[in-house]
Amino acid sequence: KNEVEQSPQNLTAQEGEFITINCSYSVGISALHWLQQHPGGGIVSLFMLSSGKKKHGRLIATINIQEKHSSLHITASHPRDSAVYICAATGNQFYFGTGTSLTVIP
Amino acid sequence: DSGVTQTPKHLITATGQRVTLRCSPRSGDLSVYWYQQSLDQGLQFLIQYYNGEERAKGNILERFSAQQFPDLHSELNLSSLELGDSALYFCASSVDPGNTIYFGEGSWLTVV
Repeated sequence: KNEVEQSPQNLTAQEGEFITINCSYSVGISALHWLQQHPGGGIVSLFMLSSGKKKHGRLIATINIQEKHSSLHITASHPRDSAVYICAATGNQFYFGTGTSLTVIP
Repeated sequence: DSGVTQTPKHLITATGQRVTLRCSPRSGDLSVYWYQQSLDQGLQFLIQYYNGEERAKGNILERFSAQQFPDLHSELNLSSLELGDSALYFCASSVDPGNTIYFGEGSWLTVV
């Protein structure tokens, strides 16, 4: 049983495209995290959400608590956005999605 | 640089052995988290400490143990190692459990 489901698993986009990655969760949460992992392994926290919407540069994250769903949007995608994006639901512990591997082609 | 320091960066050891992974959190952060990332199981949460006390426990095996010391650094002890324990182990820290989490670069463990 997967407490957190992410889609799509893999995504290839042309530079400049608008990208959406989805995350659905089945557990009660206090926050939802979006993480970015580049080749080589380092992980960076992009957003931590408990409600509504957050924006940082070209990245936007939204969460709908009633529907238990969150989305990560990338506007005007760039090759440097190529990475694995992971959502994590946190309640009494962390539950991770399996990640979305994004490749942005110039 | 996240400010979270993990040592060692790479470690190769034999089955049955015991290793200790060390983590120094960002200055001022009281919460420390440990995660395991393997190819077949992805990222998994192991354990969380807050100001020296265990706060949450995830999928941590009985062969594994951790602690957070008074100076807030943390250690993850892995014993009776098996081939399947080969993974990237991340430490992360935050000011408190409700804040942004900062990840270290990870410790690559290879069990042969």
